[in-house]
Amino acid sequence: DTEVTQTPKHLVMGMTNKKSLKCEQHMGHRAMYWYKQKAKKPPELMFVYSYEKLSINESVPSRFSPECPNSSLLNLHLHALQPEDSALYLCASSQVWVRGQMNTEAFFGQGTRLTVV
Amino acid sequence: RKEVEQDPGPFNVPEGATVAFNCTYSNSASQSFFWYRQDCRKEPKLLMSVYSSGNEDGRFTAQLNRASQYISLLIRDSKLSDSATYLCVVIINAGGTSYGKLTFGQGTILTVHP
Repeated sequence: DTEVTQTPKHLVMGMTNKKSLKCEQHMGHRAMYWYKQKAKKPPELMFVYSYEKLSINESVPSRFSPECPNSSLLNLHLHALQPEDSALYLCASSQVWVRGQMNTEAFFGQGTRLTVV
Repeated sequence: RKEVEQDPGPFNVPEGATVAFNCTYSNSASQSFFWYRQDCRKEPKLLMSVYSSGNEDGRFTAQLNRASQYISLLIRDSKLSDSATYLCVVIINAGGTSYGKLTFGQGTILTVHP
């Protein structure tokens, strides 16, 4: 199983709503990532979790709140978003870094296409 | 300067053509390199890893030049189905940590026409 599953696939929310994006993998990966991708742009890193602990926060506004309840799940809680937050949100997972290991590819989920109205 | 730079193209080539993409990276601590492919409105999917000695997978050849800090992807005998955005990905591992930071180039758009 090399799948990363994201739900929902599409989400429309108002600026006062609270919603959550979910991501699940069963590959035993202990590194998980959230990326944001705008149209015609590459994915931009938001957060990295390693061993269920937040390791990187790329100065993401607090209206985005990540959570890693266990080694298979990654959530992104959304609150008071702005229309400019509309984008494709991608979850990815990979093995953690091991000294001398050269290629640790990341597997991506299909993404959640978010529209903030 | 961006950490990973690619020529965004677009590249428009006929079927059967050979096309090459280059990507440069600025952080000499970069340790792993990949090419991903992304189709319109889909997620990025791994095309191939890039090894120091260079590697080939069918019609695709990847090269890494650490001294000059660039990687390349060569596609031979292009097919219509090769039309996609090709993303160069570089992983930087901060020393002693258990995670790598995946950084994407801006992507190169390839269109293969009949």
